[in-house]
Amino acid sequence: AQSVTQLDSHVSVSEGTPVLLRCNYSSSYSPSLFWYVQHPNKGLQLLLKYTSAATLVKGINGFEAEFKKSETSFHLTKPSAHMSDAAEYFCVVSDLGTYKYIFGTGTRLKVLA
Amino acid sequence: DVKVTQSSRYLVKRTGEKVFLECVQDMDHENMFWYRQDPGLGLRLIYFSYDVKMKEKGDIPEGYSVSREKKERFSLILESASTNQTSMYLCASSFGRGGPQHFGDGTRLSIL
Repeated sequence: AQSVTQLDSHVSVSEGTPVLLRCNYSSSYSPSLFWYVQHPNKGLQLLLKYTSAATLVKGINGFEAEFKKSETSFHLTKPSAHMSDAAEYFCVVSDLGTYKYIFGTGTRLKVLA
Repeated sequence: DVKVTQSSRYLVKRTGEKVFLECVQDMDHENMFWYRQDPGLGLRLIYFSYDVKMKEKGDIPEGYSVSREKKERFSLILESASTNQTSMYLCASSFGRGGPQHFGDGTRLSIL
């Protein structure tokens, strides 16, 4: 069965420092993995996706994530946080060939000036 | 860019009313989804549709129905609105199985 665990419900970083948002997953088959960002009162915006190609995935706004099958992880990183990165981030897993998407519970990122 | 448009950003209705939430996508995606998002409960799937006139129940379909008469439009219907249906409703579309979903901006619905 699929599942997603976002290991931190809240993360605080200072502006200009690196961001790390952690996500572990379990999947029976070959997973597709996604990271989304949600700003207050907005929908979810796709940051990046992994669909069995390169294990290091680059996304929008300087974010990237690395798929590590041995660790069943898909952590999101950014070298330097910006104030506009403050938002909630969701890790999502889907098995290729299905319509089912499993959402993590979200990580709220706070960026301190 | 994919555009998913939800007809209302904010909506206030009364208990017992029949409520329609509309969602339109412009990328010819065959799959469309309705979720609700509540603090502490995350996103929960209400219904999805993988083709015109096709629908599948999600995790919390009770009290809701859906309609998909055209490929680009997916409507969520609250048959008789109740206060526990006050929530943020999110529509999404996707292409193929397991492809990325694209979300609308959401409708914040209050039932009084």
